[in-house]
Amino acid sequence: EVQLVETGGGLVQPGKSLKLTCATSGFTFSTAWMHWVRQSPEKRLEWIARIKDKSNNYATDYVESVKGRFTISRDDSKSSVYLQMNSLKEEDTATYYCTTYRLDYWGQGVMVTVSS
Amino acid sequence: DVVLTQTPPTLSATIGQSVSISCRSSQSLLHSNGNTYLNWLLQRPGQPPQLLIYLVSRLESGVPNRFSGSGSGTDFTLKISGVEAEDLGVYYCVQSTHAPPTFGGGTKLELK
Repeated sequence: EVQLVETGGGLVQPGKSLKLTCATSGFTFSTAWMHWVRQSPEKRLEWIARIKDKSNNYATDYVESVKGRFTISRDDSKSSVYLQMNSLKEEDTATYYCTTYRLDYWGQGVMVTVSS
Repeated sequence: DVVLTQTPPTLSATIGQSVSISCRSSQSLLHSNGNTYLNWLLQRPGQPPQLLIYLVSRLESGVPNRFSGSGSGTDFTLKISGVEAEDLGVYYCVQSTHAPPTFGGGTKLELK
């Protein structure tokens, strides 16, 4: 059974950092391209980052609004993908999901609230 | 970025009724490789989104065949032939032909 479990969310002040982890199992993680997608409190979905596999040099891509602030990475030995979020803004408040490349498997999501 | 516009924003239906949701794109979603990367997702209350249809019309494994997708270029439609109670929730179209991937605003399906 495919499982994706996100952890690391919480309440953080503007300008601070947070690192999300997505632990996976049940599929061949090392060859999977992975995404992070977030959902705002208004339920709008926004793709924010993608990381390719080793054969594609772990290439990354980001939505413009998080470029330079967020970093996606992976550890194939732990079947995990990460999202390092720096310089957080109130508009980053959302539920963050990790998902597989085809959007066919999703985690349950983790809430991030940026507020003073 | 590609803008996906879904209509209607809210849809009221009775059990057994057939309904359709439209997704219109600001650009053609036909990729240079011949594929059209337009998917449909369903998000039930309190759950993450679930993939229903990919590549416009291909049914994801395990999804009931009362769901169907159609369209080309910039106009796409999701049809539910005989709504069941478990179909209630918010439907989203999403494109990945053009970077970055973008989502429609959602269509909420509720019981009349």
